[in-house]
Amino acid sequence: DTEVTQTPKHLVMGMTNKKSLKCEQHMGHRAMYWYKQKAKKPPELMFVYSYEKLSINESVPSRFSPECPNSSLLNLHLHALQPEDSALYLCASSQEVGRGPTNYGYTFGSGTRLTVV
Amino acid sequence: QQQVKQSPQSLIVQKGGISIINCAYENTAFDYFPWYQQFPGKGPALLIAIRPDVSEKKEGRFTISFNKSAKQFSLHIMDSQPGDSATYFCAAGRNSNSGYALNFGKGTSLLVTP
Repeated sequence: DTEVTQTPKHLVMGMTNKKSLKCEQHMGHRAMYWYKQKAKKPPELMFVYSYEKLSINESVPSRFSPECPNSSLLNLHLHALQPEDSALYLCASSQEVGRGPTNYGYTFGSGTRLTVV
Repeated sequence: QQQVKQSPQSLIVQKGGISIINCAYENTAFDYFPWYQQFPGKGPALLIAIRPDVSEKKEGRFTISFNKSAKQFSLHIMDSQPGDSATYFCAAGRNSNSGYALNFGKGTSLLVTP
């Protein structure tokens, strides 16, 4: 299995709703990432998990709350979002860090298209 | 601050032609330079990647040329096809104990005309 699977593919939520995005990989990757991508823009890093521990938080508002229950799963919990948070949310994973030169197997999922109304 | 600068923003190439996209970076600590292809509504898909100890890498119709001294790298798509029409992102990354975050260029929208 060489894929990163994201669910749901599309999500529409109100500003008072609570929802979660899910990401799963079975490649044995120990680093997992959340990126946000607006239309016609490059992906922007939000969070990095390394060995199930949050290692990077790129000053993301607290209405986004990541969780890594185990080495294969990554969640992004959403609460009280704003319409400007509407975007494509991408999950990615890569091989263990600090292991020397590799191609890192950096793989993106197809994303969740989020619309906040 | 944009750590990776990509040009051109858009590109139109005739079928069979060569598409060339250029990127430049500043941080000499970067050690991984991938190119991603993205179709509308899909996540970025890794096309080809290079490390700074190699000056060129070829995979099928796709070639990366890397100039370490100039801190530049480019993607060449030979025999461009209409199915290559997509947005292309270059990126640069640095391995660390905190993960391997990628810094993306702003993207190039490629249109290959029949």
